[in-house]
Amino acid sequence: RKEVEQDPGPFNVPEGATVAFNCTYSNSASQSFFWYRQDCRKEPKLLMSVYSSGNEDGRFTAQLNRASQYISLLIRDSKLSDSATYLCVVNIRPGNTPLVFGKGTRLSVIA
Amino acid sequence: GAVVSQHPSWVICKSGTSVKIECRSLDFQATTMFWYRQFPKQSLMLMATSNEGSKATYEQGVEKDKFLINHASLTLSTLTVTSAHPEDSSFYICSAREAGGGKNIQYFGAGTRLSVL
Repeated sequence: RKEVEQDPGPFNVPEGATVAFNCTYSNSASQSFFWYRQDCRKEPKLLMSVYSSGNEDGRFTAQLNRASQYISLLIRDSKLSDSATYLCVVNIRPGNTPLVFGKGTRLSVIA
Repeated sequence: GAVVSQHPSWVICKSGTSVKIECRSLDFQATTMFWYRQFPKQSLMLMATSNEGSKATYEQGVEKDKFLINHASLTLSTLTVTSAHPEDSSFYICSAREAGGGKNIQYFGAGTRLSVL
C-alpha cells in the first residue's frame, strides 16, 4: 500500500460547483497533514494545514479522520483560478523527516 | 509564510557539463533542506535530505556522486548535477522546513528547470 494515495482525477467541474478530494495514508502514527496546491510548471505552495478538529479557510475546508486514516479537502463555489493539482501531504514519521507527498489530484474548473 | 529562494530558475546546458543549483532560506534558519525532482505529469520525488554540517541522506536509487549536495550554512544548500545528460532534464525543487513552535511546514523554492541538450 502506498504511503499516501490520492485519486489523480482529473476532476472537471463548472464554476460555482462544490468539489471534494480524499486522500488516504498508510501509517496510523502519522503526525501532521497538509494540502498543497501546485500550478502547472510551478512549485507546490501550502494551501492549508489539516487539524484534527477540521478547519476552514474561506471556501476551503479540510477534515481529518484518524480512525479511517484519510483526509479530505472541500472547495466550495469553485473559481477558474482554483484549477491546479492538489497535493495531499503527510508527515509519516516523527522527527525531522521529509514530508510524503501524494501524486496529486488534478482539478479543472470550467467556465 | 517563510521564503525560500532557488536559483537559477532555468538552465540549458550541453551534455557533460555540471550544473549548480542554490537554495536559500531567506527569513529563517533551516538545519534541514530537501531536494526533489519532478518529471512532466509525474509527482514530486524526494532525492535527498540535506543536513547542515553533515552528509546528505540520499533516497534509494539516487546516485550521490551524480547529485552532489552541500549544506554549508543554516540558510544555504546547493545541489550540483555532475556531468549532466539529457535524462537528467527535469524540474528540480528544493524545500526547507520552518521548525519550532510545533510547526512542521515545508516551504518550496520556485524550482529550477534543467534542460540538457
